[in-house]
Amino acid sequence: QLQLQESGPGLVKPSETLSLTCTVSGGSISSSSYYWGWIRQPPGKGLEWIGSIYYSGSTYYNPSLKSRVTISVDTSKNQFSLKLSSVTAADTAVYYCARLEQLDADAFDIWGQGTMVTVSS
Amino acid sequence: IQLTQSPSSLSASVGDRVTITCRASQGISSYLAWYQQKPGKAPKLLIYAASTLQSGVPSRFSGSGSGTDFTLTISSLQPEDFATYYCQQLNSYPPGVTFGPGTKVDIK
Repeated sequence: QLQLQESGPGLVKPSETLSLTCTVSGGSISSSSYYWGWIRQPPGKGLEWIGSIYYSGSTYYNPSLKSRVTISVDTSKNQFSLKLSSVTAADTAVYYCARLEQLDADAFDIWGQGTMVTVSS
Repeated sequence: IQLTQSPSSLSASVGDRVTITCRASQGISSYLAWYQQKPGKAPKLLIYAASTLQSGVPSRFSGSGSGTDFTLTISSLQPEDFATYYCQQLNSYPPGVTFGPGTKVDIK
């Protein structure tokens, strides 16, 4: 079955760029029925959507993060990636990648396990 | 579009009927989903399109509502249901996703 796995550094210095990759296995990222998204969760807090991408490269972002976020896709590797620039301690969170089903559900139906990213010098 | 949830937390016993409410700041038709999250785990999709049960989710979970007011009901709370529940909507224009702040269900 389809699985998603986040990867990337667990520690990022303030003002630097956070970079994460989500690898999709057991299925194709190029399916027409799905977008792919990044969601984060600061320790002890709720879920915050970061942005989503279609396999064609079409993106949409959370307006509160848009100036610092870039999401890209590599269909040859079945991966999509997140870059968040100029990070601060407020960006410390568990980062999840997930599949966004937009045909019927308009919901994230498959999630990665999440990866903790700490912003600290 | 903003989502609010009530209550923010509740204490209940096994076997209780539990209802959580999600309210949207403007009408969203039936485009609302519910998730369950346990500590240290990724959220799990329970219900989409306000009332459609995701495959594999127990039938004690149900959802209802449309427009601005939605509810998630657990008909008979089980030990494995103690968790935090989030609602979520997807906006078509401008495109975007919003999560509610969450409702924590713990043991009385």
